[in-house]
Amino acid sequence: NAGVMQNPRHLVRRRGQEARLRCSPVKGHSHVYWYRQLPEEGLKFMVYLQKENIIDESGMPKERFSAEFPKEGPSILRIQQVVRGDSAAYFCASSPTSSAADTQYFGPGTRLTVL
Amino acid sequence: SQQGEEDPQALSIQEGENATMNCSYKTSINNLQWYRQNSGRGLVHLILIRSNEREKHSGRLRVTLDTSKKSSSLLITASRAADTASYFCATKASGGSNYKLTFGKGTLLTVNP
Repeated sequence: NAGVMQNPRHLVRRRGQEARLRCSPVKGHSHVYWYRQLPEEGLKFMVYLQKENIIDESGMPKERFSAEFPKEGPSILRIQQVVRGDSAAYFCASSPTSSAADTQYFGPGTRLTVL
Repeated sequence: SQQGEEDPQALSIQEGENATMNCSYKTSINNLQWYRQNSGRGLVHLILIRSNEREKHSGRLRVTLDTSKKSSSLLITASRAADTASYFCATKASGGSNYKLTFGKGTLLTVNP
């Protein structure tokens, strides 16, 4: 029973390039969440998606960031024109429903470094 | 406002000792959860306690919740070197937006062999 998969695990980009982070949820989970962790900090909620729908993107910067969870394939977090401040660990989590009682299962994260 | 503030920020103990970490939060919650993160790795879910529960056990873990003080504690008994990790509390709000976790900054626990 595979858990949440994220790739790549490490990503290095130069300022101005694009970063694409992928997340495959636990099989059968249709609810995906992205969180960002800055160094020495806790995780901060970015966006919550269900299949083909963005439910809550209140934690995601309005510019340069976008997320999708298509009918087929992984969820993608896309950061355009990266800046040094985007350097962080990005974690994806999934759950079977949106119930508050559900545990969110986390992937290993993608560590983005912007040079 | 910052939810889930843990203290201490760092804790160093000897193997076999107990470790206690505390967490405070600001708003009404549906539940509170504790996660562990080993250095450079993902998060592992440890335990969930609902707002109507006061204490919960899982193996060497004991969690308490005091909703009147908006605080929780995580006790790890008979610690092992393998328990070395960062520990985060995370809350889910009661009412709307109760699907997202709000994390604190964590406690870095070091267990010395």
